[in-house]
Amino acid sequence: GQQLNQSPQSMFIQEGEDVSMNCTSSSIFNTWLWYKQDPGEGPVLLIALYKAGELTSNGRLTAQFGITRKDSFLNISASIPSDVGIYFCAGLYGGSQGNLIFGKGTKLSVKP
Amino acid sequence: DAGITQSPRYKITETGRQVTLMCHQTWSHSYMFWYRQDLGHGLRLIYYSAAADITDKGEVPDGYVVSRSKTENFPLTLESATRSQTSVYFCASSTGGPSYEQYFGPGTRLTVT
Repeated sequence: GQQLNQSPQSMFIQEGEDVSMNCTSSSIFNTWLWYKQDPGEGPVLLIALYKAGELTSNGRLTAQFGITRKDSFLNISASIPSDVGIYFCAGLYGGSQGNLIFGKGTKLSVKP
Repeated sequence: DAGITQSPRYKITETGRQVTLMCHQTWSHSYMFWYRQDLGHGLRLIYYSAAADITDKGEVPDGYVVSRSKTENFPLTLESATRSQTSVYFCASSTGGPSYEQYFGPGTRLTVT
């Protein structure tokens, strides 16, 4: 079946640093979604991407739909403490609403 | 605007019991989904529904039953709970059509003892 490889699995951030994470697959996707999940809460949609090559921003967050349609990237600029949490990518293959699969997440923590 | 709500937020039940998790959305979204979230597996789709009385299986449907008699409600029933169904369950909804954006509820943490 379809699989998404999300990396890194975890990372530590210091306030002010830029952060990058990505999702890759051997399969082609039609839509990429990026979510953030805080402890004890549901995932919150951050950015939606619908076209190959598309670059979309939401405040300090920027995401890109890879040209090959097999990957997507999320960047966070000038990180702040509230950026801590787990970030998930999700890719939709085919045309069915039921074909959305999720990466296993990138956990952002604050550097001790 | 309440959005999407789930109840209960926490539930402990015994093996073999039937338990129903509720999901309610106020957006009039056509599509609703049930996912389970487990360490090491991420979010996996259990069932989804395109409209009232239309449901489809997802990746992990065994042991679960859904119904959708009203657009705004999408209950998930575990007919005979097993320990392997201990998980966090999330309901989501989407407008459908050209948008594939799914919006999630706060989750229900279910423990089967």
